[in-house]
This record gives sequence, structure tokens and C-alpha cells, in this order.
Amino acid sequence: EVQLLESGGDLVQPGGSLRLSCAASGLTFSNYAMSWVRQAPGKGLEWVSAISGSGGSTYYADSVKGRFTISRDNSKSTLYLQMNSLRAEDTAVYYCAKDPLFEAAAGPDWFDPWGQGTAVIVSS
Amino acid sequence: DIQMTQSPSSLSASVGDRVTITCRASQSISSYLNWYQQKPGKAPKLLIYAASSLQSGVPSRFSGSGSGTDFTLTISSLQPEDFATYYCQQSFNTPFTFGPGTTVDIK
Repeated sequence: EVQLLESGGDLVQPGGSLRLSCAASGLTFSNYAMSWVRQAPGKGLEWVSAISGSGGSTYYADSVKGRFTISRDNSKSTLYLQMNSLRAEDTAVYYCAKDPLFEAAAGPDWFDPWGQGTAVIVSS
Repeated sequence: DIQMTQSPSSLSASVGDRVTITCRASQSISSYLNWYQQKPGKAPKLLIYAASSLQSGVPSRFSGSGSGTDFTLTISSLQPEDFATYYCQQSFNTPFTFGPGTTVDIK
């Protein structure tokens, strides 16, 4: 069974930085693209970023481009999201999710499973 | 970016009812459309992928249809555990985008 466990969420001041982690188990991690999806309090789902199985290709939503960096360490089966220049509007629960493909959007693509989420609060 | 809309935004239904939720894309996305269910405080769960394929373990009362720009999620006989929010999502290209959600609650 594939399991994803996020960590690293915290209360951070505007302009600050935070790194989220997502530890994966039950799969050959390097075979799959991975994504981060967030959900602001009381709001819908917003895709944030994706990375290919090798880490060679990355994709970002315009709302985070230039501020967030997605990466992965396949030797540790761990996905990361480095978040810099954080804003109040980045406040959300951040989920990691597995793609069925090696390369995101290279064919029919979806998110399954999802982790339980980690909360990021940006506030002074 | 591809915009996704859903209707209705919410609905009230009774156990045993047939429920249909519609999702529309701002441009053709072929069959690159997925449906998720989310309950309060929980992560989303994949129900339907590629417009009409039922994810393993999901009850057969859930079904999806459509292609191009118009899609539907149907629950043939609503069960108590189906009261939740449902999201559609396109995977035709990045940025992947979700619909705003449809909340199904108890009448």
C-alpha cells in the first residue's frame, strides 16, 4: 500500500521561508511524478507544483512561480517543497500526491493517493 | 490556463436519490478529467479518472461520463457516506486546475 506522509508545516511570518517534506513508502518512488496541492481554509483545491520521477522536469502554478521550489530525493523516497517569500495567501493545508506517470501531464494523469496534509499558516 | 466550472455549487439530497454533478472545461480536454471526493478534515480521494474509469475500491454507484468540455459525475443511489464535497480536475496540461467543488448535503 502506498503511503505519503507530509511534515514541516508551521506558523511563519510574511516574507519567511519553510520547507515541506513528503515521505513515501510502498512504491518505487523514482518511477512516479509527484505533485503538491494546497487548500486554503474553507476554500477549494489548488494545484501548486509537480516534478517528474527523475526530478528533471518541474512545473509550477503562476501563483508560486519564482517563490517555491519543488525537489525530490529518490534515495530517500522523499518529496520537498521549499517555500520562500511567503504571503498570507499561501496559508493552506498542503498535500502531496502521487501521479500515475513518470512525467506529469504526459498522458491521462491524476492524483492518487494523497497524504494527510500539513498546515502552513503565514501570519505576523 | 484551463478554467473548470461545476454545477451546482451545492445540492441537498436524500439517501437513495440519484445525484448528477456537472463539470465544464473552458476548452477541450479530451477525456483528461478526474473526480475526487473530500470529506471535512480529510484528504481528497480519487473516484473517477480519465472521465469514466472507476478507481479501484470505489463503489460502482459512482460513474463518470463525458469528453471534450462537458462531463458528469453520477451517484446512482446516494448513501450516507457519500455526503461530501466533489471536485473535478483537468490533467490535459499544466497548470492542472480543479473545479470549485460541489457540496452534497442531507436534505
